[in-house]
Amino acid sequence: DGGITQSPKYLFRKEGQNVTLSCEQNLNHDAMYWYRQDPGQGLRLIYYSQIVNDFQKGDIAEGYSVSREKKESFPLTVTSAQKNPTAFYLCASSLGGAIYGYTFGSGTRLTVV
Amino acid sequence: SQKIEQNSEALNIQEGKTATLTCNYTNYSPAYLQWYRQDPGRGPVFLLLIRENEKEKRKERLKVTFDTTLKQSLFHITASQPADSATYLCALEGNTGNQFYFGTGTSLTVIP
Repeated sequence: DGGITQSPKYLFRKEGQNVTLSCEQNLNHDAMYWYRQDPGQGLRLIYYSQIVNDFQKGDIAEGYSVSREKKESFPLTVTSAQKNPTAFYLCASSLGGAIYGYTFGSGTRLTVV
Repeated sequence: SQKIEQNSEALNIQEGKTATLTCNYTNYSPAYLQWYRQDPGRGPVFLLLIRENEKEKRKERLKVTFDTTLKQSLFHITASQPADSATYLCALEGNTGNQFYFGTGTSLTVIP
């Protein structure tokens, strides 16, 4: 079955550490996205990529970094520069273009301890 | 500033009734609007897309309207069932066309 896989489901980070969230898709989608979801707030876009080896910042990119070396993979690194990293992180993919809905992964819940 | 507003209060309805959820937006000119369902602890699931030149779109028990003059979309679930209980998110195409922006969602509970 095609889909999008995020791992791990839960992640605990000590302050000052960098952590990397994995996102893999086997849907042959060109576009991939990272969103952050906090209680009472809508999903906020962190980074997106429409093609391999290219990505753009979203609205809240500070403290995050990404890479897109393969079409299937779009890992997100939460760096120590991110001041409030505790949140639910969602990865999505689409064929690209506004007429296609997004397919989301099941999310990673990151907690700073 | 750009805003996407959905009913902030949870919506509780009786099984069998029609649920109507609202999505209002300001300072966007989306050509496309989407609706998603999200269950607790899970990622959103795409339900429907409607284009700006479509006034109404239907899929099984779901109906979406899109009024670009009022800057509003309505999402209806007819003959609601307890299994429809979830949070529903609207999403608008951004002005650059490269991504969608999401509302905060409306929590729906269908009471048996």
